[in-house]
Amino acid sequence: GAVVSQHPSWVICKSGTSVKIECRSLDFQATTMFWYRQFPKQSLMLMATSNEGSKATYEQGVEKDKFLINHASLTLSTLTVTSAHPEDSSFYICSVRINKPADYGYTFGSGTRLTVV
Amino acid sequence: DAKTTQPNSMESNEEEPVHLPCNHSTISGTDYIHWYRQLPSQGPEYVIHGLTSNVNNRMASLAIAEDRKSSTLILHRATLRDAAVYYCILRGRGGADGLTFGKGTHLIIQP
Repeated sequence: GAVVSQHPSWVICKSGTSVKIECRSLDFQATTMFWYRQFPKQSLMLMATSNEGSKATYEQGVEKDKFLINHASLTLSTLTVTSAHPEDSSFYICSVRINKPADYGYTFGSGTRLTVV
Repeated sequence: DAKTTQPNSMESNEEEPVHLPCNHSTISGTDYIHWYRQLPSQGPEYVIHGLTSNVNNRMASLAIAEDRKSSTLILHRATLRDAAVYYCILRGRGGADGLTFGKGTHLIIQP
């Protein structure tokens, strides 16, 4: 199956700084990638849909100016958390839907644990 | 997306079969039933999906009720590595939307 690589796996940053998370689809060209956020003891929440070559689509309540998404190629999407604050500390996960040659469902990255101090 | 209902947690013994139920009474005719699981501190992992017929793969089996209003994920012989949160999610075929995760079932495996 397809492999999605996410980097870094964890990061600690100071409040007010920005952090970039990379998501790479290693063997599948993904025109669409998805970004999720998961707080402790909670389920995953879809944040945004990343579209190659165009603007991302954000879910209601997600600030697009704070969570910058860039999907410049068919294999790479990045999520930048700008001016991070402690409440942004969370587990961020990217995902790709594998629909060629058949519908194999969604593949997820291993996640990035962000801690803002 | 149509809503699914799962028990909050289940417990089973190692090397025994596990049946994880999911109710989806408002499922539409084109909704596929997907199952994913999430091990601690990892991203979710695809387990299986189906539409109407029962499905088998190397990880599990999916039994779908005739009226499609419920389904059961079957782990034939649970191991300690199967301890995870299991999510039952309905998705239409195709489309470009992400998944809506519920709370899932926390499966505990006793040695």
